[in-house]
Amino acid sequence: QLVLTQSPSASASLGASVKITCTLSNGHSSYAIAWHQQQPQKGPRYLMILNSDGSHNKGDGIPDRFSGSSSGAERYLTISSLQSEDEADYYCQTWGTGQGVFGGGTKLTVL
Amino acid sequence: EVQLVESGGGLIHPGGSLRLSCATSGFTYNDYSMSWVRQAPGKGLEWVSYISDSSNAIYYAGSVKGRFTISRDNAKNSLFLQMNSLRAEDTAVYYCARATISGWPAFDWWGRGVLVTVSS
Repeated sequence: QLVLTQSPSASASLGASVKITCTLSNGHSSYAIAWHQQQPQKGPRYLMILNSDGSHNKGDGIPDRFSGSSSGAERYLTISSLQSEDEADYYCQTWGTGQGVFGGGTKLTVL
Repeated sequence: EVQLVESGGGLIHPGGSLRLSCATSGFTYNDYSMSWVRQAPGKGLEWVSYISDSSNAIYYAGSVKGRFTISRDNAKNSLFLQMNSLRAEDTAVYYCARATISGWPAFDWWGRGVLVTVSS
């Protein structure tokens, strides 16, 4: 069964960097994912598609501070030079056979 | 500019029906597959349903299969979700989402969402 696992929370200081992880279930380590940001009281916003080789395609207007990387079954979202507006929930998403799949989300707190 | 605007939400009794709409603009609608995604209060995102550009492929999450029906009108650049036999656990904000034009369906544009509350 295709499952995406995320840590529920992460935190980092203003101006620092943070790495958020999404882990694919056994047997699915070749899958690409998408990262989405959801700021408080807003709809989600697409950030990027991240492939198993670490290549990624960002959405329009997504700052260079946002980048992605991959290692095995893990997919990472790195945000550098953290700003207050980066405080949000971050979701990974993929697609199985006729089924959309979301991770449980990671709530990022900017200290 | 791409825009997705949901409508049709509201308060409905358990067992009732509701039809959500999503009006789109700013892109060639009939080139894109679309989905509905929901978010229960205080919870994460849950994929609900998918429809391909020509309506040839339609999929549902197990939690709504047999109760919800997705459809689209390419002439009117609109997406719909007919929700029947509604339950309290269907209470959520429902988002319309556009899938990427090629490859697997990543959701590259989202609406602002519409709230559906199922309660007696």
